[in-house]
Amino acid sequence: DAGVTQSPTHLIKTRGQQVTLRCSPKSGHDTVSWYQQALGQGPQFIFQYYEEEERQRGNFPDRFSGHQFPNYSSELNVNALLLGDSALYLCASSLAAFNEQFFGPGTRLTVL
Amino acid sequence: KNEVEQSPQNLTAQEGEFITINCSYSVGISALHWLQQHPGGGIVSLFMLSSGKKKHGRLIATINIQEKHSSLHITASHPRDSAVYICAVEPYNTDKLIFGTGTRLQVFP
Repeated sequence: DAGVTQSPTHLIKTRGQQVTLRCSPKSGHDTVSWYQQALGQGPQFIFQYYEEEERQRGNFPDRFSGHQFPNYSSELNVNALLLGDSALYLCASSLAAFNEQFFGPGTRLTVL
Repeated sequence: KNEVEQSPQNLTAQEGEFITINCSYSVGISALHWLQQHPGGGIVSLFMLSSGKKKHGRLIATINIQEKHSSLHITASHPRDSAVYICAVEPYNTDKLIFGTGTRLQVFP
């Protein structure tokens, strides 16, 4: 049984570019949450998707958007990248009725 | 002031020592999570609890809802326990998690 997978593992972009990160949830899970973790900090909640809709959102600008597909996988899109967007982006999946979250290995994004 | 505070920020121990990491929070919660993060970023969920105490192997987590405080204990610590331990809370009526900044633990042989 595969756990949560994320791709790519690492990514380097320049300011102003756009990026798409991908997440496949643990088998049987229907909810995907995205987090941003800056170096030396705890993760910050970006948003959560359930039934292909954004269910909750943290304090992130509209440059951060997402999508959930019918197979429950999810994408995180960030437009007009800033240097401050450099971070580890974590995806976590869960079953809607139970909020124990299983985390993926993360995508490390570097913006130059 | 952060909604979730952890102490200490850094902890060094000798193998075999008893370790305690503390977490205090300021919001009403439906659950609290303890997570372990190894170098490279992968996060593993250790415990999710809403009352009392849970034990898994050498790890014990307790929570006092009235005092808004939780502790994670590691008995007979081992170098492989070296990691960042993160406390995260689930506020009422939300499914999002609010994280502490973590406690970096190093256990030396």
